[in-house]
Amino acid sequence: SQTIHQWPATLVQPVGSPLSLECTVEGTSNPNLYWYRQAAGRGLQLLFYSVGIGQISSEVPQNLSASRPQDRQFILSSKKLLLSDSGFYLCASTGLAGIDTQYFGPGTRLTVL
Amino acid sequence: AQSVTQPDIHITVSEGASLELRCNYSYGATPYLFWYVQSPGQGLQLLLKYFSGDTLVQGIKGFEAEFKRSQSSFNLRKPSVHWSDAAEYFCAVAPPGGSYIPTFGRGTSLIVHP
Repeated sequence: SQTIHQWPATLVQPVGSPLSLECTVEGTSNPNLYWYRQAAGRGLQLLFYSVGIGQISSEVPQNLSASRPQDRQFILSSKKLLLSDSGFYLCASTGLAGIDTQYFGPGTRLTVL
Repeated sequence: AQSVTQPDIHITVSEGASLELRCNYSYGATPYLFWYVQSPGQGLQLLLKYFSGDTLVQGIKGFEAEFKRSQSSFNLRKPSVHWSDAAEYFCAVAPPGGSYIPTFGRGTSLIVHP
């Protein structure tokens, strides 16, 4: 099975500061990769997904961006954080061809003050 | 596009009691179906999945789910709940094949009383 690493685990950032969250995957190759955000008491909101290196699809327009510089590395970024960016960020991965089970990382708790 | 409804935001059960969490979906054909569990501050863990075949699916931690095509449902069950089952439960659906973009329900929070 796959293992997904996310860091940092928690992050407190001031409004207007930049953001970089990293996700790496072990145990598979050429996975589909996803970034979700989960607000307090809410479900999962898909932010970005990627089917390959350099291929990013955005589901929700906002001040966040994503990049996939390597096959098993997915990065979520922002140039200037907003208060509304606070939440729990989850990285997920599926297996070959995308027809598989979605595995989730442990998440990053982001608080923007 | 597919959609998922988890009609219960919170469910409270006593330890040892049976449990059923509801999930209804909307999709033109039979989708892939999943149940995940999330403990506070943690990622999601897959409990079970249905792709095809036997409509009663066994998962980890003693959970099972039954796919009912006629009702567009995929309800999660457990015969005897343990205090450690207290968590958030998410149902998800995905179209078979394609780029695999699952849709998640809003979740059901399970509270277990001793």
